[in-house]
Amino acid sequence: QAVVTQEPSLTVSPGGTVTLTCASNTGAVTSDYYPNWFQQKPGQAPRALIYSTTNKHSWTPARVSGSLLGGKAALTLSGVQPDDEAEYYCLLYYGGAWLFGGGTKLTVL
Amino acid sequence: QVQLVQSAAEVGEPGASVKVSCKTSGYTFTRYYIDWVRQAPGQGLEWMGRINPGGGSTSYAQNFQGRVTVTSDTSTSTVFMDLSSLRSEDTATYYCARQGRYGTNSIEYWGQGTLVTVPS
Repeated sequence: QAVVTQEPSLTVSPGGTVTLTCASNTGAVTSDYYPNWFQQKPGQAPRALIYSTTNKHSWTPARVSGSLLGGKAALTLSGVQPDDEAEYYCLLYYGGAWLFGGGTKLTVL
Repeated sequence: QVQLVQSAAEVGEPGASVKVSCKTSGYTFTRYYIDWVRQAPGQGLEWMGRINPGGGSTSYAQNFQGRVTVTSDTSTSTVFMDLSSLRSEDTATYYCARQGRYGTNSIEYWGQGTLVTVPS
């Protein structure tokens, strides 16, 4: 059974840049996995940020970007703001079924 | 605008079933997949399954095969998720979510969530 792995936690300073990654135990993550990224704050539903590796939704800030990096999907946040503190989840497509990563808790400190 | 409005919180009996609804509006119902995702208290997101309301085809996560059924009603633009053989570990917030741009593999719009509590 496939497993999707993310960093459990990361800390970044305000104004800094941070990259979150998303790996699959089945091998390198490619665009065929259509990586999606979501942000979730306590008590709220998730909010979509990125789909199909690099594509942004209409509300996704310009300083948020998606990519493939070293066989993983990646989400980069630049010019980090205190409001970026949240849990971030990646989602990968396995031919008819989706699988979420365990989430990365991002702390802005 | 796209809206997904879910049914109210429920308490489920161990061993019984629960049915959560997701009423959609603001778009052509039959053109976009609807997924179901759950989140146990303090835990991560877990994909459960999806339906193509256009044709009724479904796919389910291995963990839920045989226990979850997703259906749709085109007359009311509503999707339903039925989870059977409830156990305390099924206590979670259940979300419906809609595919993004037509033809893309994406999840974009989310319902507000429905808390299902199964006492131990």
